[in-house]
Amino acid sequence: GAGVSQSPSNKVTEKGKDVELRCDPISGHTALYWYRQSLGQGLEFLIYFQGNSAPDKSGLPSDRFSAERTGGSVSTLTIQRTQQEDSAVYLCASSLLGSGRAIRYEQYFGPGTRLTVT
Amino acid sequence: QKEVEQDPGPLSVPEGAIVSLNCTYSNSAFQYFMWYRQYSRKGPELLMYTYSSGNKEDGRFTAQVDKSSKYISLFIRDSQPSDSATYLCAMSVGDDKIIFGKGTRLHILP
Repeated sequence: GAGVSQSPSNKVTEKGKDVELRCDPISGHTALYWYRQSLGQGLEFLIYFQGNSAPDKSGLPSDRFSAERTGGSVSTLTIQRTQQEDSAVYLCASSLLGSGRAIRYEQYFGPGTRLTVT
Repeated sequence: QKEVEQDPGPLSVPEGAIVSLNCTYSNSAFQYFMWYRQYSRKGPELLMYTYSSGNKEDGRFTAQVDKSSKYISLFIRDSQPSDSATYLCAMSVGDDKIIFGKGTRLHILP
């Protein structure tokens, strides 16, 4: 079946511009995560959506970052007034929260959006 | 001290060698331990998953968790060039937030 898809795959933007990154999770997956991966920095958690619950926004680095998930499916991560330090690969993952522990912790990642702020 | 520490490498080993990848952590509440593999320009994919202490084997891969030492390992036997990737350890206390290590870049030399 189709995996997690993200668009665009690459985005180059000028400092100060707003950008929107899109994530299409696997159909039926109730949980959706956004991460940021900078060179040599590993995966930095940004935000987590689970069903109709309030999202966990504890990882968002500043109020320039926001995300929404419409209809429990597609998610958009928005970065306003981009800065050069926002340059990174933004990864989206989804998971199926079932009764089995293995299912709960298997996150399926998309290929990422490589954001470059010039 | 970071919650999860992982040597970034790179680690280069000859084909056929046994590879040992490790992470240490500080939060004794972690119960779920995972290893993800990430190929260049791809998203990570789950390789191994372990709950609490002990060993788990899957083909050429063995995951070990030593909670008393707060130390986890991934062993790769008979390493192949196709194993060349970045390996990220990850762990969770049991909620839905997973803490990832920075990843170790592994090169298997043919």
